[in-house]
Amino acid sequence: QKEVEQDPGPLSVPEGAIVSLNCTYSNSAFQYFMWYRQYSRKGPELLMYTYSSGNKEDGRFTAQVDKSSKYISLFIRDSQPSDSATYLCATTTEGSYIPTFGRGTSLIVHP
Amino acid sequence: NAGVMQNPRHLVRRRGQEARLRCSPMKGHSHVYWYRQLPEEGLKFMVYLQKENIIDESGMPKERFSAEFPKEGPSILRIQQVVRGDSAAYFCASSPVGAAEQFFGPGTRLTVL
Repeated sequence: QKEVEQDPGPLSVPEGAIVSLNCTYSNSAFQYFMWYRQYSRKGPELLMYTYSSGNKEDGRFTAQVDKSSKYISLFIRDSQPSDSATYLCATTTEGSYIPTFGRGTSLIVHP
Repeated sequence: NAGVMQNPRHLVRRRGQEARLRCSPMKGHSHVYWYRQLPEEGLKFMVYLQKENIIDESGMPKERFSAEFPKEGPSILRIQQVVRGDSAAYFCASSPVGAAEQFFGPGTRLTVL
């Protein structure tokens, strides 16, 4: 079992839809959770960074962590074609600087 | 404020040649991380360096791969005697202190013929 599981998709939605992207993880010691966006042929860009359980909101993006079920989510409201990219979840333990990444979910937002 | 810079962006090598990938961290960042991304796979950690020190190289293959981050100049990831399996995108990231919150460069795409 991989430490971080993420459905590769692709996930195709119409413009304006609410998008839900998810990851599960196996290591209960993971404390820090991140979401990266990666456009084709580009480097990953940090979107959200959260610690432990709960929600964090930034504009159209909301990150949610449920440590009891080892489940992390990224919600995108009012999705735009420019949101089309691969979204990577990542997590790490307390005191570690090396994230473990999921393989990424490809999102396509069509006009 | 320039972001993380990597060069070359694309590198083609024949089997047996050497590949040198360079990374200049963001201004004010003294911690550098190298990752490899293969098609259909996630980012895999390779090595974590500070100036003149290798902090963690647990993800680095034991042979043919080496990394350095000298006092002056960029960080270098060196792959000797490349094989076709080394073909991948190599990303560098940096942070101001040791942190999981890292900023990535655009990557170097290595193709081994």
